[in-house]
Amino acid sequence: GQQLNQSPQSMFIQEGEDVSMNCTSSSIFNTWLWYKQDPGEGPVLLIALYKAGELTSNGRLTAQFGITRKDSFLNISASIPSDVGIYFCAGRNTGTASKLTFGTGTRLQVTL
Amino acid sequence: DSGVTQTPKHLITATGQRVTLRCSPRSGDLSVYWYQQSLDQGLQFLIQYYNGEERAKGNILERFSAQQFPDLHSELNLSSLELGDSALYFCASSVMGNSNNEQFFGPGTRLTVL
Repeated sequence: GQQLNQSPQSMFIQEGEDVSMNCTSSSIFNTWLWYKQDPGEGPVLLIALYKAGELTSNGRLTAQFGITRKDSFLNISASIPSDVGIYFCAGRNTGTASKLTFGTGTRLQVTL
Repeated sequence: DSGVTQTPKHLITATGQRVTLRCSPRSGDLSVYWYQQSLDQGLQFLIQYYNGEERAKGNILERFSAQQFPDLHSELNLSSLELGDSALYFCASSVMGNSNNEQFFGPGTRLTVL
C-alpha cells in the first residue's frame, strides 16, 4: 500500500533543541495530519491542517500545509524528554470516505 | 485516553486459525476504521464502517472481514492466519464518515501468529 515519505527516518537531539521533520507525497491531499505514537500505544493526533499554506500551532508544535498540497512540515521547539516517540504524517482527501494514508514515520530520541 | 477501546490487547495464535478483534468507538462516533501496522508496510488502512454500513475498503485481504453492529462496536475477523499477519491492528473512530472529522485511535491489538 501507499506510504508517504518522511524525513529524517530517525534523529537524536539534545533536550532544548528545536526539531524539524517533513513529509512528502507524490499526490495531492486536502488535509494533512500529524500524529505521535508512543511504544505500545495508538497514534495520538497532534495537529490537523485543512488549507494549503496553513500554519498551525499546538503548544511547542508548529505544522505547515505545503503550498503544493504534496507536503507538510512539523517543527518542535525546545524539545523535552517526553517528546520521544514516533511522529507520523497522514494525508486525507475529501469525499465519502476519509481513510488516512500514513507516512513512514520519524523516530525522535532525546538525549539529556 | 482517546475513548476508543480495543480488546484483546495481545493475541497469540497459530497459523491457520481464526481470530476476532473487537473495537468500541468513542461515545457519539458513528464511523469506525481499521488499520494494520507492520514493520515492512507501516500503517495501512484496511476498512471503514459508518453507522453499520461499509464505507470504504483499503488493503484488506479476502481472508479478513469486518462488521459494525447496531450498538456501533466493530469486529475485525481474521481467518486462515499466516505468519505475515502478525502485526498491530488499530481501530479508530470519528463522528462522521467524511472530511474534517478527525480519527482517534485505540490502543491496538498486537497479534502474533506462530
